Amino acid sequence: AQSVAQPEDQVNVAEGNPLTVKCTYSVSGNPYLFWYVQYPNRGLQFLLKYITGDNLVKGSYGFEAEFNKSQTSFHLKKPSALVSDSALYFCAVRNPGGYQKVTFGIGTKLQVIP
Amino acid sequence: GAVVSQHPSRVICKSGTSVKIECRSLDFQATTMFWYRQFPKQSLMLMATSNEGSKATYEQGVEKDKFLINHASLTLSTLTVTSAHPEDSSFYICSAPAGQGASYEQYFGPGTRLTVT
Repeated sequence: AQSVAQPEDQVNVAEGNPLTVKCTYSVSGNPYLFWYVQYPNRGLQFLLKYITGDNLVKGSYGFEAEFNKSQTSFHLKKPSALVSDSALYFCAVRNPGGYQKVTFGIGTKLQVIP
Repeated sequence: GAVVSQHPSRVICKSGTSVKIECRSLDFQATTMFWYRQFPKQSLMLMATSNEGSKATYEQGVEKDKFLINHASLTLSTLTVTSAHPEDSSFYICSAPAGQGASYEQYFGPGTRLTVT
């Protein structure tokens, strides 16, 4: 069984400061890892993914994430937070292969304070 | 990127009635689509996998007779909530995979807010 943990319900950061949203995972084999963002009453938007290769993955809107196999983590980061980054962020994992089931974390609310 | 639409975006219905939600892939074909349910301040719960031309695969605990799924074409899947009750009120989101090979991405619809009174 695969699972995703997002240990923080909410992360508050001042505008301009770096932000980190944490994610750890559990999956058999090599994981495919994803980050999505959700704005109120909207669907999820894809930010970035790790499939293989470089552990540091760059994605949309200046976000990046670092895959750490030994710590089974995939933390989302951004060097300088914007107020418009305030949203709900989901980490997700699935196994490689065909149309596999995606397991989402519970989500972390990011609040960027002006 | 690929676009997935949902209709309606919001629906209010009376208890006991049925509601149909449509999920369309606008610029790509999707032999598989996924239906999720999201409760307030909670994660997405996969309800079922919709397969074009065959029966949907439901997750454990999801009533297939209550949540009817029809994947009639390569661009359309529908979820019908039958005999809706207030506890069915939720945010329903569909997604469709697009891309080449095993590294496909999921593209999500904007969601449908269902309120059962």
